Amino acid sequence: DARVTQTPRHKVTEMGQEVTMRCQPILGHNTVFWYRQTMMQGLELLAYFRNRAPLDDSGMPKDRFSAEMPDATLATLKIQPSEPRDSAVYFCASGRPGTGDYEQYFGPGTRLTVT
Amino acid sequence: AQTVTQSQPEMSVQEAETVTLSCTYDTSESNYYLFWYKQPPSRQMILVIRQEAYKQQNATENRFSVNFQKAAKSFSLKISDSQLGDTAMYFCAFVRPTLNDMRFGAGTRLTVKP
Repeated sequence: DARVTQTPRHKVTEMGQEVTMRCQPILGHNTVFWYRQTMMQGLELLAYFRNRAPLDDSGMPKDRFSAEMPDATLATLKIQPSEPRDSAVYFCASGRPGTGDYEQYFGPGTRLTVT
Repeated sequence: AQTVTQSQPEMSVQEAETVTLSCTYDTSESNYYLFWYKQPPSRQMILVIRQEAYKQQNATENRFSVNFQKAAKSFSLKISDSQLGDTAMYFCAFVRPTLNDMRFGAGTRLTVKP
């Protein structure tokens, strides 16, 4: 049963520290999405990649957030420096070639707490 | 801008009964996809059902079915024979193909009571 995996599942850090979240898409999937979920804003799309190329990161605060895909099996979302308002659950999702634009499989999320 | 509205923050239903969750959306597009996702306490986002806008037939998946009214921009989810495991947050979502701009509603918290 193929699944999207995310690490870490939980992260507590102090304001100002760097945070890196990792995602392993389902093997063979070529689109990767990053979402953030908060009580206030709900689920927001931060960025997405197709074939490792960033296609849209307009939802991501550019000054402190960065997203990359070093290879087809790893996507990273980095926050530097982190702030308390970044506390949220961050989801990664992946999609297959041809259907990935509209059929996304979500990982379990990383719960980030910035104190 | 594409928006998705879920007007029912919370709902409850007795086990084995039927419940309908509402969703409306706003778009000027003719080609799009609609989804219902379930998020149980584990936080995992699980795809429940998908509807292509170009299909007139309502999608069904076992106990889950939708009532898709394109002209009214309405996309409700019906859960039949509710089970305790259906207790979760349910999110309605909209996406335009190739643009990948998936938009989620605020969610409806469903509680199935024994």
